[in-house]
Amino acid sequence: EVRLWESGGGVVQPGGSLRLSCAASGLTFSDDAMSWVRQSPGEGLEWVSSLSGNSGHAYYADSVKGRFTISRDNSKNTLYLQMSSLRAEDTAIYYCAKDYDILTSWGPGTLVTVSS
Amino acid sequence: EIVLTQSPATLSLSPGERATLSCRASQNINFFLAWYQQKPGQAPRLLVFDASNTASGVPGRFSGSGSGTEFTLTISNLEPEDFALYYCQQRADWPPITFGNGTRLEIK
Repeated sequence: EVRLWESGGGVVQPGGSLRLSCAASGLTFSDDAMSWVRQSPGEGLEWVSSLSGNSGHAYYADSVKGRFTISRDNSKNTLYLQMSSLRAEDTAIYYCAKDYDILTSWGPGTLVTVSS
Repeated sequence: EIVLTQSPATLSLSPGERATLSCRASQNINFFLAWYQQKPGQAPRLLVFDASNTASGVPGRFSGSGSGTEFTLTISNLEPEDFALYYCQQRADWPPITFGNGTRLEIK
């Protein structure tokens, strides 16, 4: 069974930075693309970023391009999202999910609040 | 970017009834559509992929249909645990993958 678990969320001031982590188990991590999807309070789902298994291909939503960086450490079965220049509109629950385009497994999410 | 429009926004039904949820794409996406269920305080869960393929472990009362721009998720014989939020998502033209705005299925 695939298990994903996000961590690193919290409260950060506008303009600040935060790094999210997603620990994975129950899969051959290096074989699988991974994604981040976020959900603002009371709102719908927004894809944020995806990364191939070998880190060769990274993709970003226009709303985060240039501010967020996705990466992974396959030796630790861990996916990361480095977020900088954070804005109020980045406030959301951030989920990691398996695969690029059919999101077969999701973590429970971690809440990021951008507020002064 | 492909826009997905879900209808209705809220659907009020009783247990045992049939639910029909719709998702319309702004352009042809062939069959590259998935459906997810989300319960309060939980992450989304994949129900159906590629329009009509049910994901592993999903009860047989869930079924998807459609192609092109019009898609439907049908839940027959509603169970109490089926009352939740439902999202459609396309993968025909990514990045980005995009999601619909959701349908809330509530108990009447």
